[in-house]
Amino acid sequence: ETGVTQTPRHLVMGMTNKKSLKCEQHLGHNAMYWYKQSAKKPLELMFVYSLEERVENNSVPSRFSPECPNSSHLFLHLHTLQPEDSALYLCASSQEGLQGLYGYTFGSGTRLTVV
Amino acid sequence: AQSVTQLDSQVPVFEEAPVELRCNYSSSVSVYLFWYVQYPNQGLQLLLKYLSGSTLVKGINGFEAEFNKSQTSFHLRKPSVHISDTAEYFCAVSDLDGGSQGNLIFGKGTKLSVKP
Repeated sequence: ETGVTQTPRHLVMGMTNKKSLKCEQHLGHNAMYWYKQSAKKPLELMFVYSLEERVENNSVPSRFSPECPNSSHLFLHLHTLQPEDSALYLCASSQEGLQGLYGYTFGSGTRLTVV
Repeated sequence: AQSVTQLDSQVPVFEEAPVELRCNYSSSVSVYLFWYVQYPNQGLQLLLKYLSGSTLVKGINGFEAEFNKSQTSFHLRKPSVHISDTAEYFCAVSDLDGGSQGNLIFGKGTKLSVKP
């Protein structure tokens, strides 16, 4: 596979559940990002990992917990979510230091519904 | 701080008509500029980018954009749209000397709706 792959594509979870979103990139990039895209809201940057270290966390609630075990994989662990957390979660990757030149490569997203 | 403004949240247009999606940015330094497209239930896909050189940039699917430094704009255009162009379009900027380490700042998006 090439590009950025996100699994699952769709996820329905209850507010007391624990689940994880997975992102995998096969581009040799070393920076990865989680974005939240809600209806009628702009893209929200949640987390940035560069060289497997978290470099940015935009005041995201602790019920979202990212993990980056290596430069190819990124996870978003979810627990005790709220209905307002329902959204499309997008993963992206880039080459650290070159994102301005080449931009990001995005996955297709995970559509999360919290019931 | 940098920001990106997409002036229109929705743009309806008839098939084969021309379209322009507007984007303005604010930055005190030189920038790189991007347009991304998002089809329904998909991620964002790079449409085109401006780095330097010619101010008219051509991208995929017949789209082009023009960089105007004096007006701090990077409007996206297509002379004749198709139904398949229905999607949301995002403008983004990356500054060359900012605290964000070159990370992209996205606009709020413009939904293009092409009608038959």
